[in-house]
Amino acid sequence: AQSVSQHNHHVILSEAASLELGCNYSYGGTVNLFWYVQYPGQHLQLLLKYFSGDPLVKGIKGFEAEFIKSKFSFNLRKPSVQWSDTAEYFCAVSGGSQGNLIFGKGTKLSVKP
Amino acid sequence: KAGVTQTPRYLIKTRGQQVTLSCSPISGHRSVSWYQQTPGQGLQFLFEYFSETQRNKGNFPGRFSGRQFSNSRSEMNVSTLELGDSALYLCASSIQTSGGTLNTDTQYFGPGTRLTVL
Repeated sequence: AQSVSQHNHHVILSEAASLELGCNYSYGGTVNLFWYVQYPGQHLQLLLKYFSGDPLVKGIKGFEAEFIKSKFSFNLRKPSVQWSDTAEYFCAVSGGSQGNLIFGKGTKLSVKP
Repeated sequence: KAGVTQTPRYLIKTRGQQVTLSCSPISGHRSVSWYQQTPGQGLQFLFEYFSETQRNKGNFPGRFSGRQFSNSRSEMNVSTLELGDSALYLCASSIQTSGGTLNTDTQYFGPGTRLTVL
């Protein structure tokens, strides 16, 4: 069965620190990969996505993610976080002809000013 | 373009009642998917509608149902509500090209309907 694992439940960083959130997936075929963010009181927003091509993808607000096929990973990175990055981050995968998303449990990021 | 809209935003119901939630997709989007978000289970896929047909279904009991209208708007219905149905119900829309072996659409989410079952 398809699954997505996010290793960190809650990450606390100071402003300007670097961020890396882990995401591993289990799926036996070609996949599409996504990171969504949910800011407090707001709806899920797409941060970035990978369908094919360059495995390093850049998203909004300075985020990027690297797809490593051999490791079934799609980790999210940001070189310098800001207080406004405080949110919950969800990794998701879809595959095959079905477009439904399988989500990880999410990682809460708290950035201290 | 206006985003995905969901109504109502908040609902309080009692056990045994039924509820209907509504979702209007982004203009031009033909596919609507529904997800349930709870603290314990996270985000789980309920079902997807395309061209007024349910095309994909998650692992939820038959009390959860939905439909899609010709204008792509969708409704979700939950009958015989249980306490465990308390959740944030999210709707997502995508342009959705039909056919193909790999679906490469991106889903855009609405603000959700928060359902509380007492």
